[in-house]
Amino acid sequence: DAKTTQPPSMDCAEGRAANLPCNHSTISGNEYVYWYRQIHSQGPQYIIHGLKNNETNEMASLIITEDRKSSTLILPHATLRDTAVYYCIVRVANYKLSFGAGTTVTVRA
Amino acid sequence: AAGVIQSPRHLIKEKRETATLKCYPIPRHDTVYWYQQGPGQDPQFLISFYEKMQSDKGSIPDRFSAQQFSDYHSELNMSSLELGDSALYFCASSRVKGLAGGEQYFGPGTRLTVT
Repeated sequence: DAKTTQPPSMDCAEGRAANLPCNHSTISGNEYVYWYRQIHSQGPQYIIHGLKNNETNEMASLIITEDRKSSTLILPHATLRDTAVYYCIVRVANYKLSFGAGTTVTVRA
Repeated sequence: AAGVIQSPRHLIKEKRETATLKCYPIPRHDTVYWYQQGPGQDPQFLISFYEKMQSDKGSIPDRFSAQQFSDYHSELNMSSLELGDSALYFCASSRVKGLAGGEQYFGPGTRLTVT
């Protein structure tokens, strides 16, 4: 699996958009970008994934650069319940997840 | 919507004892993954099963074994427990979708404490 690089921490104001960057410069053509989050000691929660097109669902939007070497997860209106560790993972479909050091996002009132 | 069920949620064992953790995947999911998360660490992949066959193996100690049964539930068996086995154990399930996904959905975890 390609290695990813994320900032260790990020603060965000409640109600504002949170933009979480991820670098994955060694991503292969058949690898997807997945985002998961883990709220304190709970099971990791799937957020969104994409291959090369931008994706949006009820939780977030995923913007992938044209060269696929980086991506941004956007939480459109952060709430206090979005405080969590966010993991950006690149993997081929139907494969194990390799969790690296994610971004600890703290949403402040 | 149905989620992944894990039991027990909490387990306390003594050193050298055995433990069995159970995982019930989301209905119609054919793949189960096990992950271990030590205190202050990120989840680490242990083992996975697809259609009742082992599909991949990570850093799983030889003292641990697992299997997936005909009803797709899975059990992780841990023997000769050590203090270092104290961790959260997560099970995740997914449905193989060819080349287009297979996102994993995680259970709430089993917190194992070895004393």
